[in-house]
Amino acid sequence: DQQVKQNSPSLSVQEGRISILNCDYTNSMFDYFLWYKKYPAEGPTFLISISSIKDKNEDGRFTVFLNKSAKHLSLHIVPSQPGDSAVYFCAASAHAGKSTFGDGTTLTVKP
Amino acid sequence: DAGVTQSPTHLIKTRGQQVTLRCSPKSGHDTVSWYQQALGQGPQFIFQYYEEEERQRGNFPDRFSGHQFPNYSSELNVNALLLGDSALYLCASNQYNEQFFGPGTRLTVL
Repeated sequence: DQQVKQNSPSLSVQEGRISILNCDYTNSMFDYFLWYKKYPAEGPTFLISISSIKDKNEDGRFTVFLNKSAKHLSLHIVPSQPGDSAVYFCAASAHAGKSTFGDGTTLTVKP
Repeated sequence: DAGVTQSPTHLIKTRGQQVTLRCSPKSGHDTVSWYQQALGQGPQFIFQYYEEEERQRGNFPDRFSGHQFPNYSSELNVNALLLGDSALYLCASNQYNEQFFGPGTRLTVL
């Protein structure tokens, strides 16, 4: 039973356009959500997070939206840059406990 | 600040052997978590150590054990290795709700 799902294994966008990465979860106890970015041969790097008491958090080109009723969150990157090409993981935790990760979406930004 | 460091970077073992992986957390962090990342999957939580004790554990068999030292560094031990244990093993140190990951140890079991 996978509690955090990223249904799109890959996404390709043109430089300058918006990238939208999606994530669904099933556990209602999750109260904190994070996005990580991973380059080959490196560990995941924290990108942005959102608490369940909010529905939007923005940091520069990155915005995370949370829809609790739909148990869905998304990461928007605008404008997308070639350096954004990486694997993006969605993760969720409950009460500052362990993080449960999705399987990742590989984003390719074409120049 | 060196961030989270892990050693070794790569390791090759044969079935039935035992392996020890090491992790030093980010300076000032006292909580260490270990994850297993199989190819094409997201990291899977193994366990978390705080104050030298295992605080949380994921769905991994007892062959996976760990230890945390007084300086907060940690070890992951895997006994009786199986082919399916081949994966990237990630260590993360925690500050509040954020986790900072090391580069991982790539374990190959032949």
